[in-house]
Amino acid sequence: AQTVTQSQPEMSVQEAETVTLSCTYDTSENNYYLFWYKQPPSRQMILVIRQEAYKQQNATENRFSVNFQKAAKSFSLKISDSQLGDTAMYFCAFMKHLIGNEKLTFGTGTRLTIIP
Amino acid sequence: GAGVSQSPSNKVTEKGKDVELRCDPISGHTALYWYRQSLGQGLEFLIYFQGNSAPDKSGLPSDRFSAERTGGSVSTLTIQRTQQEDSAVYLCASSYRQGGEQYFGPGTRLTVT
Repeated sequence: AQTVTQSQPEMSVQEAETVTLSCTYDTSENNYYLFWYKQPPSRQMILVIRQEAYKQQNATENRFSVNFQKAAKSFSLKISDSQLGDTAMYFCAFMKHLIGNEKLTFGTGTRLTIIP
Repeated sequence: GAGVSQSPSNKVTEKGKDVELRCDPISGHTALYWYRQSLGQGLEFLIYFQGNSAPDKSGLPSDRFSAERTGGSVSTLTIQRTQQEDSAVYLCASSYRQGGEQYFGPGTRLTVT
């Protein structure tokens, strides 16, 4: 079974600063997907960024980027120029690359607060 | 277009009652998922529907939980004889391709008193 670990329950950072959220995972699979989801107080889960394990290049989406280290099974999220709207719970998630087995396994989340 | 919708937004029920939670996926999405988010267990997978294939029910916590998907679209999650430990936010998601983004609904907060 896969496990996802987020070791930082809470983090806070000043607006405009850069923050990195950690995620490690354990799997015996070689092909899989990794995701970061954001959940603001509204409860709506929103995809932040997606990484395919067979791609060595780290995914980026505007101010959001990842550091994917496959051998170390690490998948951290970097938020640059943080904004007040980034305040939310952030969940790291794993999905097997296997048709018919596409459920997400989530970490316990990191509560991120951006301080004005 | 419209996103994933769920109803009701909030549900308060008495222990022992049955409840039905509804999910309307994004039109054209063939995959539909139910997850549960609770303080004690975090986010956990419940059940997955893909097209006309048999659903993956491996995450359902007990036989009091069941789900169906009619016409490949709307899904209903039913919890029979609710218990206090069933109190949680129930999230539905849909996806249009394998390995693709799962689009989540706003969830139903269930409180069992």
